[in-house]
Amino acid sequence: DGGITQSPKYLFRKEGQNVTLSCEQNLNHDAMYWYRQDPGQGLRLIYYSQIVNDFQKGDIAEGYSVSREKKESFPLTVTSAQKNPTAFYLCASSASTGNNEKLFFGSGTQLSVL
Amino acid sequence: RKEVEQDPGPFNVPEGATVAFNCTYSNSASQSFFWYRQDCRKEPKLLMSVYSSGNEDGRFTAQLNRASQYISLLIRDSKLSDSATYLCVVNKNNNDMRFGAGTRLTVKP
Repeated sequence: DGGITQSPKYLFRKEGQNVTLSCEQNLNHDAMYWYRQDPGQGLRLIYYSQIVNDFQKGDIAEGYSVSREKKESFPLTVTSAQKNPTAFYLCASSASTGNNEKLFFGSGTQLSVL
Repeated sequence: RKEVEQDPGPFNVPEGATVAFNCTYSNSASQSFFWYRQDCRKEPKLLMSVYSSGNEDGRFTAQLNRASQYISLLIRDSKLSDSATYLCVVNKNNNDMRFGAGTRLTVKP
């Protein structure tokens, strides 16, 4: 089945630790995204990438880093600089850089601080 | 002003009711518009795209008013299974997708 896979489903971070969230898609999509969702709130854009080896900051990129070395993969690192990382993280992809393409989402990673 | 604004609700309606959600957006150059549905602690799923001419999919009708920078979603004959959070999504430009905070709907027996 084609789709977008996030792992792990649950992740715990210790103080001062960097953690990496995985996102893989086999839909052959060009664009990939990372969003953060806090309880009772909408999705906020962290980073997005329209093509391999290129990515742009979203509204809340501070404390996060990404890479796009392969079309299929867009990992997100939550660094120790992100002081409030507890949230639900959603990865998404879309087919092209046009203006009418829908987003396909992974099932999300819940990150909590120990 | 937020880029995409929605009434957070909650909307509590009986089965069979008609309910409407509204969404406004700030960027007049926004290119395309969508409604997504999200169940608790799950990923959002596309409900429908929104076109200038308006579009209907069964019990769901979406409308776009570019002049007023306003999008709406109408649900007729509400079902218990319609209970969810409905997210308004705006494509600012070139796949820079922005989400509203969502409107929570509970349909009661």
